[in-house]
Amino acid sequence: AQSVTQLDSQVPVFEEAPVELRCNYSSSVSVYLFWYVQYPNQGLQLLLKYLSGSTLVESINGFEAEFNKSQTSFHLRKPSVHISDTAEYFCAVSDGGGYQKVTFGTGTKLQVIP
Amino acid sequence: GAGVSQSPRYKVAKRGQDVALRCDPISGHVSLFWYQQALGQGPEFLTYFQNEAQLDKSGLPSDRFFAERPEGSVSTLKIQRTQQEDSAVYLCASSFSGSGTGELFFGEGSRLTVL
Repeated sequence: AQSVTQLDSQVPVFEEAPVELRCNYSSSVSVYLFWYVQYPNQGLQLLLKYLSGSTLVESINGFEAEFNKSQTSFHLRKPSVHISDTAEYFCAVSDGGGYQKVTFGTGTKLQVIP
Repeated sequence: GAGVSQSPRYKVAKRGQDVALRCDPISGHVSLFWYQQALGQGPEFLTYFQNEAQLDKSGLPSDRFFAERPEGSVSTLKIQRTQQEDSAVYLCASSFSGSGTGELFFGEGSRLTVL
């Protein structure tokens, strides 16, 4: 069975500072990895995903995540956060099997402080 | 609209009542998922449809939960004899394909409070 661990439930960070949101996964087969973001009063939306190929993937708003198979991690990073990045971030895994059963972590609330 | 639509957005039920939650996915999306999100938790998988076929219902917590998608578009999640532990946000998501590589598009959820 697949699972996702997000150790940090809340991460406060000052505006323009760097941030890393940690994600570790467990799966017995090859995986697809995702980060979803939920802005206040909105539904979850895909931020970025790793399917295959380059282990470093990027989003359009400056976030990046690196797939590390040996450490079973998929940490999310941004070199300089903005107030508008305040949201809850969910790491998720799919085993890439017959269909897309996506398993989510418990989420990390990123609070950007002005 | 072009997104996934869920209704009602908020539902308050007395313990023992039956509730029905509706999901209208993005037109043309083959796959439809229901998730349950309790307070402070991540979304937990409930069930999956590919068109009208319910291919996985392993996440449904009890036989009081029932989901259908009779014509392969709109889906309804029904909870019978609601209990307090059913209080949660119920999320619906759709995807163009079922291959595991596609993006899930989520609705804003239906928040159920059972008194």
